[in-house]
Amino acid sequence: QLHLQESGPGLVKPSETLSLTCTVSGGSISSSSYYWGWIRQPPGKGLEWIGSIYHSGSTYYNPSLKSRVTASVDTSKNQVSLKVYSVTATDTAVYYCTRQAIGNYNWFDPWGQGTLVTVSS
Amino acid sequence: DIQMTQSPSSLSASVGDRVTITCRASQSIDSYVNWYQQKPGKAPKFLIYAASNLQSGAPSRFSGSGSGTDFTLTISSLQPEDFATFYCQQSYTSPYTFGQGTKLEIK
Repeated sequence: QLHLQESGPGLVKPSETLSLTCTVSGGSISSSSYYWGWIRQPPGKGLEWIGSIYHSGSTYYNPSLKSRVTASVDTSKNQVSLKVYSVTATDTAVYYCTRQAIGNYNWFDPWGQGTLVTVSS
Repeated sequence: DIQMTQSPSSLSASVGDRVTITCRASQSIDSYVNWYQQKPGKAPKFLIYAASNLQSGAPSRFSGSGSGTDFTLTISSLQPEDFATFYCQQSYTSPYTFGQGTKLEIK
């Protein structure tokens, strides 16, 4: 059974860079059928898609965040990573890693448990 | 971006009730809608894809319908474990966007 686990610092200072890693187990991130997505959820609010990456390194991002985010992949470690630059308090959220089906319907399943990142000095 | 608007934002219902949640897209998106269930402190769980197709393992009391701009998620007979927040998501075009959520509470 596929399992995704996010990791990274829970506290980041304003203007610094948020760095997260998602480790995938029970399956390969090199599958041709899936992208790997990042989604975030501010406390008490809804879900926002950040971006997605294929095992080749191909990426696409939400235009609202595109200038500040970079996703990467390490197939040797079965990991995907996310960096968010120049963070502010509005970047405080639970960050989820998820597998994204390729094709017309692009659903997200399964999801990691999520990791809360707080931006504060 | 395509806006997804859910109604109601919250809903109180009893075990055994039939419940319907609506999701409206700001433009036509054919049947490119997926639904998720999220319980407090947990990650969302995938329920339905392509508006009406039940994800493997999801209970059959969940069903979805709609196309174009209007979509519904129906729970035929509420069970205690169904009380949660539900989100629709459009996959018609990037950026993928979610509804604001419908919180289903016990009456």
